Amino acid sequence: DAGVTQSPTHLIKTRGQQVTLRCSPKSGHDTVSWYQQALGQGPQFIFQYYEEEERQRGNFPDRFSGHQFPNYSSELNVNALWLGDSALYLCASSLSNTQYFGPGTRLTVL
Amino acid sequence: SQELEQSPQSLIVQEGKNLTINCTSSKTLYGLYWYKQKYGEGLIFLMMLQKGGEEKSHEKITAKLDEKKQQSSLHITASQPSHAGIYLCGADMDSWGKLQFGAGTQVVVTP
Repeated sequence: DAGVTQSPTHLIKTRGQQVTLRCSPKSGHDTVSWYQQALGQGPQFIFQYYEEEERQRGNFPDRFSGHQFPNYSSELNVNALWLGDSALYLCASSLSNTQYFGPGTRLTVL
Repeated sequence: SQELEQSPQSLIVQEGKNLTINCTSSKTLYGLYWYKQKYGEGLIFLMMLQKGGEEKSHEKITAKLDEKKQQSSLHITASQPSHAGIYLCGADMDSWGKLQFGAGTQVVVTP
């Protein structure tokens, strides 16, 4: 049984560019959450998707947007990248309460 | 504001010794989760606590949630090199699955 998978593993972008990160949930999971983890800090909640709708959102600007597909996979899009967007982006999937995390995508903005 | 405080920030323990990590919330928790993270990698789920006074154990790791559901501790007995990593507590503050995390505790196990 495959766990949560994310792609790409690493990504380098320049300021002002746009990026799309992808997540495939654990088999049978219908809810996907995205987190941003800066170096030395705990993950910060970005948003959560359920039934292809954004159900909850954290304190992130509209430059951060997402999508969930009918097969429950999800994308995170970030527009107009800032240097401060450099972080590890984590995707987590769940069916009830417990969230299971993927390996993350390391985004570097130069 | 940081609603979840973890302590200590880091600790070094000799192999075979016990260690305890604490996680304190300013609000009542609907669920408290413990995860382990290797540097730069994803989070590995350890345990979830929901009921006041609940205690769970897995192998040499025990987690407790106090009666008021505002403080949790993670205890590792007879630490091993495999226990090294960053331990994170995450809390569901509103029962909707929006987890808030502490800053993490880095554990180093020395020979």
